[in-house]
Amino acid sequence: QKEVEQDPGPLSVPEGAIVSLNCTYSNSAFQYFMWYRQYSRKGPELLMYTYSSGNKEDGRFTAQVDKSSKYISLFIRDSQPSDSATYLCAMRRSTGFQKLVFGTGTRLLVSP
Amino acid sequence: KAGVTQTPRYLIKTRGQQVTLSCSPISGHRSVSWYQQTPGQGLQFLFEYFSETQRNKGNFPGRFSGRQFSNSRSEMNVSTLELGDSALYLCASSLARLDSGNTIYFGEGSWLTVV
Repeated sequence: QKEVEQDPGPLSVPEGAIVSLNCTYSNSAFQYFMWYRQYSRKGPELLMYTYSSGNKEDGRFTAQVDKSSKYISLFIRDSQPSDSATYLCAMRRSTGFQKLVFGTGTRLLVSP
Repeated sequence: KAGVTQTPRYLIKTRGQQVTLSCSPISGHRSVSWYQQTPGQGLQFLFEYFSETQRNKGNFPGRFSGRQFSNSRSEMNVSTLELGDSALYLCASSLARLDSGNTIYFGEGSWLTVV
């Protein structure tokens, strides 16, 4: 069983929809949680970064972490065709090391 | 502020050859880590360097190695290339402060094709 599970999709939505992306994990030592967006043939771009449980909002993006359930989410409001990409969740322990464990990524398609 | 820079962006190698990939981190970032991304396995951690020392290593064979220079720039090397080494190799950098509250930024990657 993988440490981080993520539905690969694809997830197809119409423009303007609210998108919900999720990951579950098994390692309770994870303390830092990130969402990256990756366009085709590009490197991952950091979208959201949260520590421990709680919510964080940045523009159209909201990240939620529920450590008791080992479940993290990313919500995208008013989705745009330019949001079409692969969304990767990533997490790591609270040590001095920088090793990230990634989900497989969810491919999102937003149609005009 | 320049991002993480990786060179070369694309390369094709033959089985059995070796390859060296280069990474320049964001200015001021002291930690550099490398990841391999393939369609089947996703993003997998290779290793991390901090102050010229490897301090964490993923589950990859010894053919994969790396190093970091005093200016924080890093290189990774893959020897005796196999077809399965075809992948996007991503470099990431961070400040690596002791409080561990560091965001990690990725470069655009080096696309390696082994034929």
